[in-house]
Amino acid sequence: NAGVMQNPRHLVRRRGQEARLRCSPMKGHSHVYWYRQLPEEGLKFMVYLQKENIIDESGMPKERFSAEFPKEGPSILRIQQVVRGDSAAYFCASSSQGWTGHYDEQYFGPGTRLTVT
Amino acid sequence: KNEVEQSPQNLTAQEGEFITINCSYSVGISALHWLQQHPGGGIVSLFMLSSGKKKHGRLIATINIQEKHSSLHITASHPRDSAVYICAVRSDFGNEKLTFGTGTRLTIIP
Repeated sequence: NAGVMQNPRHLVRRRGQEARLRCSPMKGHSHVYWYRQLPEEGLKFMVYLQKENIIDESGMPKERFSAEFPKEGPSILRIQQVVRGDSAAYFCASSSQGWTGHYDEQYFGPGTRLTVT
Repeated sequence: KNEVEQSPQNLTAQEGEFITINCSYSVGISALHWLQQHPGGGIVSLFMLSSGKKKHGRLIATINIQEKHSSLHITASHPRDSAVYICAVRSDFGNEKLTFGTGTRLTIIP
C-alpha cells in the first residue's frame, strides 16, 4: 500500500526554465494539496484539488504557477520561467472523504526540493 | 499575528525527559494536526484531533477547543525524537487547507 509519491525528489533548474512536479496520491484518495516550504520558513498552503477540479488556489502566486489533477495520472504543479525565489521544498498531501462527509487526515509525500540556479 | 502560534521555537532536553510543545490558534477549526519533520525533510502526520486527547506510543496530543489550545507531549524522550514538530489547523468544515505554525525544533541529547 504505497503512500503519497512525489517525483522528482530533487530538481535543479536554471532561471527561466520550467519546473514540473508530480504527485501521485495514496490509492483511493481523490483530494490533493500542494504546500511550499521556503528555506528557513514554515509550510504554506498553495492549492487544493480534487479530480479535474481546482477547489482552492488562494495560496498560489498569480503568475507562473499552475496546478492540475487530471482524471487519469498524477497531479502536476507547474512553475514556468522559474526564478531563484522559487527554490523551496514542495510537498504534496492527499486525503479521502470519509463516509460521514468529513475529510480524513492528510498524508504527506516526501517532497520535491527545487533548486533554481 | 499568525493564526497558529507554537512555543517554544527551540527546545533542547536530556534523554528521558518529559517534553511539552504548545500550539495556540486564533480561528475556529474543524481539526488540528500535529506533524513531525525529520532532518531529511519528510513530513509524518502524528495526530489529527478535533476534541479531547489521543495517545500513540510515547506521544500524547490534547486539545482544548474553548481555549483554542493544543499540546503535544513526549514521554521518556529519546534522541530519535529529535525533529521539528509542526502544528497545523483546518480552519472550518469544507475548507480543507491547512494553516501551519512555524514549528518547534526539538533536540534530545543522549
